This record gives sequence, structure tokens and C-alpha cells, in this order.
Amino acid sequence: DAKTTQPPSMDCAEGRAANLPCNHSTISGNEYVYWYRQIHSQGPQYIIHGLKNNETNEMASLIITEDRKSSTLILPHATLRDTAVYYCIVRASGTYKYIFGTGTRLKVLA
Amino acid sequence: SQTIHQWPATLVQPVGSPLSLECTVEGTSNPNLYWYRQAAGRGLQLLFYSVGIGQISSEVPQNLSASRPQDRQFILSSKKLLLSDSGFYLCAWSTDIRLGNTIYFGEGSWLTVV
Repeated sequence: DAKTTQPPSMDCAEGRAANLPCNHSTISGNEYVYWYRQIHSQGPQYIIHGLKNNETNEMASLIITEDRKSSTLILPHATLRDTAVYYCIVRASGTYKYIFGTGTRLKVLA
Repeated sequence: SQTIHQWPATLVQPVGSPLSLECTVEGTSNPNLYWYRQAAGRGLQLLFYSVGIGQISSEVPQNLSASRPQDRQFILSSKKLLLSDSGFYLCAWSTDIRLGNTIYFGEGSWLTVV
């Protein structure tokens, strides 16, 4: 079973920051947090991942709380092309399985 | 660079017919390979994963099977399709599980069983 909880849907105005929350209250010390997104009828696309420090790349920022029980994916300036389903998953180092939940459907509004 | 390909992209099959979806990865060796299924409007369900040639782990008992005849080839099969097998099938690969490495997905295959 998925170890993460996400809101089923969110809206965001174009040009504003989109903040997508994820709860992973049972996360273990060696489990990474990953974020992916899936645009309709395509395979999921990797966005970012982290262990305990905040991370930033060209696509997004990942903020992980100090107790690691939750995280937030930030898209700093959302565009219409960011409309997608966003998945937050956790995976332990040394395991093979990436278990996806149902994700958050983000709709960016013009 | 690494690439992953799966085919066919779209498939319409009658109930009771066989299925074969194929996936190949290029640009890497000894990848971990995965098959996922996504029913309409649902999340991704892990079906099978493989850590080497001939090594298959099944996550969900079902009407499907997987095989890995070569290092970078992963095949999803069924002898007799059911209506419930319809969905979006995704092949994926990853590398070193010890690190915070990521999983990469193919383009997907749409299967409609009629």
C-alpha cells in the first residue's frame, strides 16, 4: 500500500506558485521522498526527490519538514502546461518497489 | 543517454485473446524493470518487477505474466484476456537501489479489451 496521503485535487492560478502537500507520517529514516507528475495519456515524469534536506532543481522545489512526516512540492510559477496529476511516493534505499498512490490532480487556471 | 521504449502504443483485443507487450531499455546495463497498470481514472498499480534475467516478482495475483528473456527486455503477457485487463500499461526502469535513484517510465500502451 502507498505510504503517502495527498489531496485529490487542487487549483492554482497561472503565474502563481503551486504548493502541493504530501503526508508521509510513517516514513522511515532511510526512505526517500519522490515526486512525479503524469500528464494525461503519458508516462509519469520525474520531478525531484530528497531525503531530509530541502531540494531545488529547474522544475521545482521540495520542502521536507524537520520531522520528515510531510513535504511540499513547490512549482514557483505555474503554467497551463503544469496541469497534471502529481504523485508523492516514498521508497527505502535498498528496496526495488516504487509504490504510487492516487496523487493530486492539479489544474492551473488561466 | 538511456531510453526506454514499449510497444504497441495502442491495442484493441477481444476477450479470450492473448496479449504481448514488449519493453526495451537502451543505454544502461542490468536495469531493474517494472510493469505498472493504470485503470481509467485510477493510480498506478505495480504488477511485476525484475532485478535480472529470468527473475520476476509478481505484486498482484492476476491474469497476467511477465518474462525477462534478455537483460534489457521485459515482456508482459496473457494467455486469455479479460475485460478487466483493459487499461494503460507502463514499463519502467531504475538502477542502483542503494542510492536515491529514480524510476523512469516509457510512453505507455493503451489496451482495450472488447
